[in-house]
Amino acid sequence: AQSVTQLDSQVPVFEEAPVELRCNYSSSVSVYLFWYVQYPNQGLQLLLKYLSGSTLVKGINGFEAEFNKSQTSFHLRKPSVHISDTAEYFCAVSDQQGGSEKLVFGKGTKLTVNP
Amino acid sequence: GAVVSQHPSWVICKSGTSVKIECRSLDFQATTMFWYRQFPKQSLMLMATSNEGSKATYEQGVEKDKFLINHASLTLSTLTVTSAHPEDSSFYICSASGSGRSLRTQYFGPGTRLLVL
Repeated sequence: AQSVTQLDSQVPVFEEAPVELRCNYSSSVSVYLFWYVQYPNQGLQLLLKYLSGSTLVKGINGFEAEFNKSQTSFHLRKPSVHISDTAEYFCAVSDQQGGSEKLVFGKGTKLTVNP
Repeated sequence: GAVVSQHPSWVICKSGTSVKIECRSLDFQATTMFWYRQFPKQSLMLMATSNEGSKATYEQGVEKDKFLINHASLTLSTLTVTSAHPEDSSFYICSASGSGRSLRTQYFGPGTRLLVL
């Protein structure tokens, strides 16, 4: 079974500052990794994913994440945030070997970008 | 690409009635669809997984007779909340995965807010 830990429940940051949202996972098998963003009263939007290949993944809206297998981490970064980046961010994993494609989510990190 | 829609976005109903929520993949064939429930300020809770043409697989603790799921085609899945009660009020979100860019990746709908009076 997998588990996902998002270490920070809330991250306040000023506009144009860099931000890192941390995600660690636990799994006995290889996993696929995802970051989703949720704006208020909306569904989840895929920011980026790691399925294979380069461990540095670039996504939409200027976000990127790096898969670190030895540290079982997949931290999300953005060099300069905007007010519009204020949202809830979810890290998720799925089992590479299983056929169900179920996602295991972290509890989410609320990013608040202040002017 | 990989767009998922849900309908309705909002529904208010009286206790005891049934409500149907539709989830559609608009530009890809969804071999697998998922239904989630989200409580305020919490993460998503998976309710069930459905494969086209097969019976849904429900998570532990989810009543299959209360939450009826049908995945009749590669682009449509429905969730029917039968005999709804106020405790069923929640935000329901579907997702879909399939082939191409949606392979091994779930794309989510915008969600449906259900309020049972």
